[in-house]
Formats: sequence, C-alpha cells, structure tokens
Amino acid sequence: AQSVTQPDIHITVSEGASLELRCNYSYGATPYLFWYVQSPGQGLQLLLKYFSGDTLVQGIKGFEAEFKRSQSSFNLRKPSVHWSDAAEYFCAVGGAGAQKLVFGQGTRLTINP
Amino acid sequence: EAQVTQNPRYLITVTGKKLTVTCSQNMNHEYMSWYRQDPGLGLRQIYYSMNVEVTDKGDVPEGYKVSRKEKRNFPLILESPSPNQTSLYFCASRSHREEVVNAFFGQGTRLTVV
Repeated sequence: AQSVTQPDIHITVSEGASLELRCNYSYGATPYLFWYVQSPGQGLQLLLKYFSGDTLVQGIKGFEAEFKRSQSSFNLRKPSVHWSDAAEYFCAVGGAGAQKLVFGQGTRLTINP
Repeated sequence: EAQVTQNPRYLITVTGKKLTVTCSQNMNHEYMSWYRQDPGLGLRQIYYSMNVEVTDKGDVPEGYKVSRKEKRNFPLILESPSPNQTSLYFCASRSHREEVVNAFFGQGTRLTVV
C-alpha cells in the first residue's frame, strides 16, 4: 500500500535554530518525493522534489531534503529557520504515470522569537 | 503567469443546497484533480481527469461529482452537501509531458456546510 507518514504533528523551534521534519514513505514502485509548504490562508507551494540522482536535494527558501532508500525516508532540513517559515509542511510521494500524489498528515511548524 | 485558479476561495452553505467550485488552469495541462484537506489526514484525492471527457474516482469520491468538458476547466459539484464535506479543497493540474506527477495547486477553497 502507498502511504506517507509524518511522525510529528506539531514542532516548535526558535528563530535561528536548525530544523528537521521527518517523512517516511511506503511505495511499491520507484518513488518520486515532494515537500510542499502551506502558509496560513495560502495554497500549496512546492519546496523541492526528488526524482533520481543525487540524494541530497536543494529547494527554495534555503530548504534541503535527503532521500534515504534504505530507511524509506525523505527528511526536510533547514540550517537556520526564520519567522516566515511558520507554516504547515506536507511530504508527498508519487510515481511515473501515477494518478495521484499520496500525502502525509502534515507537520505544523511554529517559530518562537 | 502559469496558475490554477479556484473560485470561490471561501463558501458557507446549508445542507442540501447544490454548489459548484470552479477550477481553471492556463497551462494547457491534460491532467487535473481535486483533493480535500482535513486536519490530521493530509490531502486526499477526490476525483481526477486524464483529459477532456475522461474522469475517474480518487480515494474519497462519495458525495462529489466532476465534469471535464473543456481542457482548462474541472469543476467540483456537490449535489447535496452535508456537514462532513466541510473541508479545504484544492484543485491541481499537471502535464502528461512530465515524467512524474509534479502538480500545480490552486489557492484552495474553504467550504463550510452548516
């Protein structure tokens, strides 16, 4: 079965601190992985995606993610968060020709000043 | 500017009153879909369309209808809305020319059924 698990429903970090959001997936074929961000009252914005090649992927807004096939993980990281990073983050998996993206439950990120 | 446009952005309605949420994309994408987002459940696919006049059910199609008469438009129809359809709805589109499902999302429609 296809599934994505984001174990942390809510994370709070201080501004300037590092961040890691966890994502584990289960997918029967070669997975293509995505991280989306949803700011309050906004739609979904693609942060980064992994299709193949280098397992460390750079995205927008200073985010990066690392694909680890052996752990079925695609964790999102940022070395130093800004107050504007407060949002909900969704990990998703799809595949070539797949009809849909399968999303995780989302992780809400709060930034303390 | 490439975009997916949903209307309305916010809607409050009463149980049983038919409504339509419109979705339009300007990228000539073949593939469009609808998702609903609920707390703790992420996004779940309602319906999708591979091209004009080709639609199919997603994971949670009950209580919804769609149509795809034109390539750019993919409206979501709730014939008799119920409170359990209160949710945040997203339309998405992508091109078949892309190898994978790299979707563009609309801004969302927040629907409340009372």
